[in-house]
Amino acid sequence: SSELTQDPAVSVALGQTVKITCQGDSLRTYYASWYQQKPGEAPALVIYGKNNRPSGIPDRLSGSNSGNTASLTISGAQAEDEADYYCSSRDSSGNHLLFGGGTKLTVL
Amino acid sequence: QVQLQESGPRLVKPSETLSLRCSVSGVSISNFNYHWGWIRQPPGKGLEWIGDIYYNGVTHYSPSLSSRLTMSVDTSKNHFSLSLTSVTASDTAVYYCARRGETAMVNPYFDSWGQGTLVTVAS
Repeated sequence: SSELTQDPAVSVALGQTVKITCQGDSLRTYYASWYQQKPGEAPALVIYGKNNRPSGIPDRLSGSNSGNTASLTISGAQAEDEADYYCSSRDSSGNHLLFGGGTKLTVL
Repeated sequence: QVQLQESGPRLVKPSETLSLRCSVSGVSISNFNYHWGWIRQPPGKGLEWIGDIYYNGVTHYSPSLSSRLTMSVDTSKNHFSLSLTSVTASDTAVYYCARRGETAMVNPYFDSWGQGTLVTVAS
């Protein structure tokens, strides 16, 4: 299929661990990248490739992959992690890019 | 430090053409390691990939927009551009330009983004 599917909303207690998932057939072939977007700001890359973090991204954010699912795990969630998170990858043809619908993370 | 900056009209009339430019600084747009892309976000909604262009002019467009879309690159001025014809209210969005890299030459990621510009389609 040519879609990446994310849960619309997820919540996590402060200091706990949360996994945000992204499902799509193309993820059996390609790695996803993950973006964090806070209100009024441009998205920012947080995870790319197998599990790479740009400089400045804390190591409590990590990526993993299994079958058709890519996951972003936040270990020990902090208040500043509250944001929208988007996954992105190629579609099944490999010729075009996709974004998931986004997951709104609330830190309680 | 890589910086990208979108510019162009903020208000476009229905059926007319939306044109935006992305000026790049801190890196040459001719760097063969990167593609240069456009992504948009309607108010209150998610991100949508529009397309991207390589320094040599090779483009990849979203299938849903390709019939109305043209992208170009000017390596001498270090900027790239987007043109979307026959716009409607559904094209109202924040438009972002971004630099795209790839791991293992296949896994894409956008590592630098412009601040975005809201373009409204209205009469």
